[in-house]
Amino acid sequence: SQELEQSPQSLIVQEGKNLTINCTSSKTLYGLYWYKQKYGEGLIFLMMLQKGGEEKSHEKITAKLDEKKQQSSLHITASQPSHAGIYLCGAAPDDNYGQNFVFGPGTRLSVLP
Amino acid sequence: DTGVSQDPRHKITKRGQNVTFRCDPISEHNRLYWYRQTLGQGPEFLTYFQNEAQLEKSRLLSNRFSAERPKGSFSTLEIQRTEQGDSAMYLCASSYQGGNQPQHFGDGTRLSIL
Repeated sequence: SQELEQSPQSLIVQEGKNLTINCTSSKTLYGLYWYKQKYGEGLIFLMMLQKGGEEKSHEKITAKLDEKKQQSSLHITASQPSHAGIYLCGAAPDDNYGQNFVFGPGTRLSVLP
Repeated sequence: DTGVSQDPRHKITKRGQNVTFRCDPISEHNRLYWYRQTLGQGPEFLTYFQNEAQLEKSRLLSNRFSAERPKGSFSTLEIQRTEQGDSAMYLCASSYQGGNQPQHFGDGTRLSIL
């Protein structure tokens, strides 16, 4: 079965600093999704990547999927306290996107003002 | 814009009791998913529906767990004879059918077993 690993497990940065979170898959990714979760709440969809080499940006967050489609990175530029939360990558293990969707364990981000 | 709604937000019950959670998906979405999330972990897939059909249920944690979506709209997740290990956040998500449509999540139901 497919497994997703995330690094780092947790991250504390000063406001204004840049940071990168990584997600690595044991198998080829058919679709890679990034979500953000605040404690005790549901997941908020950020971005989806599907093609090798694809890159997407939303506000100060950029996500990339490598050419081999087994690793993705999420980069935050000039971090703000509002960026704090848990970032989760999720993936479809095959082209049947609904079935057996898997998530990584998450990266907990704290941004100090 | 109405998102995914889950009820209740919190449930505290004694071991051995049955509990039922409700999920109302985004109205245009015909796929609905249930996940369990424990502290420090990502959500764990349990089951999903396309309209009223339950297309995958082999990942339900035991035969004490069951889910329904009788009219293809809202769904319920029932846990019978709850155990301490069932304490977790239960998340519901919905999406459009097909391709790579992203799932949109509710705020979850936090279950605590005394």
